[in-house]
Amino acid sequence: DAKTTQPNSMESNEEEPVHLPCNHSTISGTDYIHWYRQLPSQGPEYVIHGLTSNVNNRMASLAIAEDRKSSTLILHRATLRDAAVYYCILGLMYSGGGADGLTFGKGTHLIIQP
Amino acid sequence: ETGVTQTPRHLVMGMTNKKSLKCEQHLGHNAMYWYKQSAKKPLELMFVYSLEERVENNSVPSRFSPECPNSSHLFLHLHTLQPEDSALYLCASSQDFLVNQPQHFGDGTRLSIL
Repeated sequence: DAKTTQPNSMESNEEEPVHLPCNHSTISGTDYIHWYRQLPSQGPEYVIHGLTSNVNNRMASLAIAEDRKSSTLILHRATLRDAAVYYCILGLMYSGGGADGLTFGKGTHLIIQP
Repeated sequence: ETGVTQTPRHLVMGMTNKKSLKCEQHLGHNAMYWYKQSAKKPLELMFVYSLEERVENNSVPSRFSPECPNSSHLFLHLHTLQPEDSALYLCASSQDFLVNQPQHFGDGTRLSIL
């Protein structure tokens, strides 16, 4: 299985942009890049996903390197409610031979300072 | 608002008890999942159901028995559990079990085995 590497923790100030990096040097051509986050005492929450092109949604932006070996989740203006563990996950397309759930790593613990 | 509801939120049981965890989604999704989140380990996929058929079982001990009576409900029946089974059990759903589709998680059942 392709693995991801993320920093254990990061700190940022409220109302500033946050760039969360993820390395996935063994990514295959059919791996999607997913980001989820988990707030304290809650289940994980979908943030964004992409394959090759950069993606934007109301929560965040995903910047994918041209060689796809790394990606960056961008929170444009962090708030205290963005304090969570952020998971970068590679997800295989279903090939018909079996289903794949999401393989979570340890993620990055994002701390937001007021 | 999660869209996926898990009950109970907390459960304490002895090793000889039998209990069930319940998950309910009214998102119109066809795939449902059970995950286990232990204190010192990443989220682990346990079971995947698609259209009420089990499509994945990740070598989970037989003391965990899933049931999916319809596409909106998923149960995890527990019997003769061990202390190491104490964890947060999370249910998720997605439109189908293609991994490029977001998964929606409940807030989990915190299980403690005495």
